Amino acid sequence: QQQVKQSPQSLIVQKGGISIINCAYENTAFDYFPWYQQFPGKGPALLIAIRPDVSEKKEGRFTISFNKSAKQFSLHIMDSQPGDSATYFCAAQPGGYNKLIFGAGTRLAVHP
Amino acid sequence: DAGVIQSPRHEVTEMGQEVTLRCKPISGHDYLFWYRQTMMRGLELLIYFNNNVPIDDSGMPEDRFSAKMPNASFSTLKIQPSEPRDSAVYFCASSLGRYLSGANVLTFGAGSRLTVL
Repeated sequence: QQQVKQSPQSLIVQKGGISIINCAYENTAFDYFPWYQQFPGKGPALLIAIRPDVSEKKEGRFTISFNKSAKQFSLHIMDSQPGDSATYFCAAQPGGYNKLIFGAGTRLAVHP
Repeated sequence: DAGVIQSPRHEVTEMGQEVTLRCKPISGHDYLFWYRQTMMRGLELLIYFNNNVPIDDSGMPEDRFSAKMPNASFSTLKIQPSEPRDSAVYFCASSLGRYLSGANVLTFGAGSRLTVL
């Protein structure tokens, strides 16, 4: 069921740095691409999402970049903070279906 | 709303025992999902329901796993018999589907951590 490939598995960034997490997919029927953030002991929660008709979406320090031709999308966290330390999941939803296929997750640690 | 409520939060059981995980979705949400999270495989979709009807159970690993949704406010995931490789965190999530915003936003519960010895 691994239709969305996510990398890296883990990431360490210094405070103030840029965190970049990448995802790739094969199924061209996907038409909605959210990112979820999960803190220890909690369930994942929606962080930001994008549709394939735009190449970039920004919300505060979080930006999704989307490359439809390459079938890749990425999450950029600018000015990373220790409070951003969490596991991040990319996901994709096939058109016509209300289910999300998640990547394997990236464990981000932001050091002060 | 209290969000998606799962129980138990932690379960430790012996191999071969029956395990039942429970979920109460957000009132008004008509989609319910069961996911399993492991270090190796991340978040795997096991099954999802729409209006209490199972829509896709292709992610259910084996016949040992079964899920029911007898009404709009309750769902169970049962493992019988349980095996050590079933040890994972099981999440329930609910959503309104795409109807309102055109985007499917899942609200997850806090998860049930299962350990099978």
